[in-house]
Amino acid sequence: GENVEQHPSTLSVQEGDSAVIKCTYSDSASNYFPWYKQELGKGPQLIIDIRSNVGEKKDQRIAVTLNKTAKHFSLHITETQPEDSAVYFCAASSNTDKLIFGTGTRLQVFP
Amino acid sequence: KAGVTQTPRYLIKTRGQQVTLSCSPISGHRSVSWYQQTPGQGLQFLFEYFSETQRNKGNFPGRFSGRQFSNSRSEMNVSTLELGDSALYLCASSLEAGGNTGELFFGEGSRLTVL
Repeated sequence: GENVEQHPSTLSVQEGDSAVIKCTYSDSASNYFPWYKQELGKGPQLIIDIRSNVGEKKDQRIAVTLNKTAKHFSLHITETQPEDSAVYFCAASSNTDKLIFGTGTRLQVFP
Repeated sequence: KAGVTQTPRYLIKTRGQQVTLSCSPISGHRSVSWYQQTPGQGLQFLFEYFSETQRNKGNFPGRFSGRQFSNSRSEMNVSTLELGDSALYLCASSLEAGGNTGELFFGEGSRLTVL
């Protein structure tokens, strides 16, 4: 089955800097890669996703890149703000299969 | 429209007891998935239900079970509780079944503490 590894487990950045979170997956059949943000006391919420037919997707300050050959994908947050502080989860799924999550990255943005 | 509702939000049980958690999905969503969240382990997939049928199951022992009703509401049950079952149990709903069909909408979770 699918296995997703996520690094780093914690990340501290200064406000305005960029943050990068990386994930690798094991199942070459995986074709859907979402990223979720979980704020304290809340459930995770989808912030961006990418499918295997594209290599990069951007949404304002957030971007995701996918390297299918290397089986890894990354989340990039530019111009970080204190409200970006949260736990971020990557995930991977193949057709009609379950969504497998990484272990999470706690991002802290210091003013 | 209303989001995913999970009850109870907090509960404390002792070893050996059983617990039932409830999840009401977003109206119109037919798929409900359950995840266990623990520090360091992230979100671990328990099972997915669609149209009252279990579509997928994670690597959890048989003490963990679930079901879905005709109105798409779902329950999960954990029997013979162990200390290691202490966790946040998250329910997520989506329009269609399968992990790659689109956004999962999560509830705020049920935090279970086993003493």
